[in-house]
Amino acid sequence: NAGVTQTPKFQVLKTGQSMTLQCAQDMNHEYMSWYRQDPGMGLRLIHYSVGAGITDQGEVPNGYNVSRSTTEDFPLRLLSAAPSQTSVYFCASSSKRFLNEKLFFGSGTQLSVL
Amino acid sequence: AQKVTQAQTEISVVEKEDVTLDCVYETRDTTYYLFWYKQPPSGELVFLIRRNSFDEQNEISGRYSWNFQKSTSSFNFTITASQVVDSAVYFCALSEVGTYKYIFGTGTRLKVLA
Repeated sequence: NAGVTQTPKFQVLKTGQSMTLQCAQDMNHEYMSWYRQDPGMGLRLIHYSVGAGITDQGEVPNGYNVSRSTTEDFPLRLLSAAPSQTSVYFCASSSKRFLNEKLFFGSGTQLSVL
Repeated sequence: AQKVTQAQTEISVVEKEDVTLDCVYETRDTTYYLFWYKQPPSGELVFLIRRNSFDEQNEISGRYSWNFQKSTSSFNFTITASQVVDSAVYFCALSEVGTYKYIFGTGTRLKVLA
């Protein structure tokens, strides 16, 4: 059982480049979300989704786009990368079977924007 | 609005000492869930506990225990007889029922010295 899979694990971008961070889960979880982790800032919610076709903004959504066309996948798009987006990104998912279930996290993507 | 405060940025203890990590939260809802996660040096996020707002009983799991006090909006985590393997960053999180937003604190880095 793979759980939550994030790719790539590491990425270096130049300012202005675009890229997509991939996230896939095989647990049939309705809820998926993206966080960024920065020193001293903890984990901050970027975007989340409660099901296919439904997305919403978190605490720090600017500069990021998401879509949820399937239950399994929740990609995070950076349209024009900026150095302020240098961070570690985590994807997480959970079931909606019960209220506010625990989050399952991917292993993270370390992104550097030069 | 939801908010989680972990005022202790870093704590150092000597092995076998007891240590308490503080978590204070803010919410307008009466129904919510609280969580603790561990992030060891390898970087993955490991679920430790999920507690709902109606269950104020303290919980013990081996050397770990949690003290939930609604009167002070706190959900503190104690490690008894700490070990070097407990060295990690610990995150407290809050999720209001129905919002599907999981808000994390800034984390406490625990260093257990041999």
